[in-house]
Amino acid sequence: GAGVSQSPRYKVAKRGQDVALRCDPISGHVSLFWYQQALGQGPEFLTYFQNEAQLDKSGLPSDRFFAERPEGSVSTLKIQRTQQEDSAVYLCASSPSGAEKLFFGSGTQLSVL
Amino acid sequence: AQSVAQPEDQVNVAEGNPLTVKCTYSVSGNPYLFWYVQYPNRGLQFLLKYITGDNLVKGSYGFEAEFNKSQTSFHLKKPSALVSDSALYFCAVRDMYKLSFGAGTTVTVRA
Repeated sequence: GAGVSQSPRYKVAKRGQDVALRCDPISGHVSLFWYQQALGQGPEFLTYFQNEAQLDKSGLPSDRFFAERPEGSVSTLKIQRTQQEDSAVYLCASSPSGAEKLFFGSGTQLSVL
Repeated sequence: AQSVAQPEDQVNVAEGNPLTVKCTYSVSGNPYLFWYVQYPNRGLQFLLKYITGDNLVKGSYGFEAEFNKSQTSFHLKKPSALVSDSALYFCAVRDMYKLSFGAGTTVTVRA
């Protein structure tokens, strides 16, 4: 069966550009999470969806970051006016419910030049 | 807030030797603890979890973890390491509906 799919795998952006990162969770998974992983660090929580409802966005670093999951399946993380400090791997994870056992995608490595 | 700490950035062992990766936790209430592994260019994979019950938890790929309440620790162990166990290991704690991860420990198993 298909796992969590993220695209693109790599993204290079010029500073100031907008980017959109896509996550296809496992079919039927209610919970969806976005994490940011800087080089040499553990994943840091960004935001959480239960179906289409964004229940927590407390980890989003600034108002340049926006996430959506309009139909309760695919999710998009958008970063406006990218900055160099946004360079990181962005991980998406899904689960049947809550944070018991998360299934992670391979991530999108974002490099802002 | 719930948190975990991994005191070692790197662990190096010879193949066939025991492997231990350390994790300590700080929580209010009962801890829900996890271990994940990350292979190069791959997403994190679930290894095992502790919710309640037996202090020795068995997981995937021959790994186990020992929950110690008095020492607030949840160390990951494998009796006989393989070269293929070389990876990045993360301890995590459930904080309401999300997981909070440690900084990770790089394990290198030499042949």
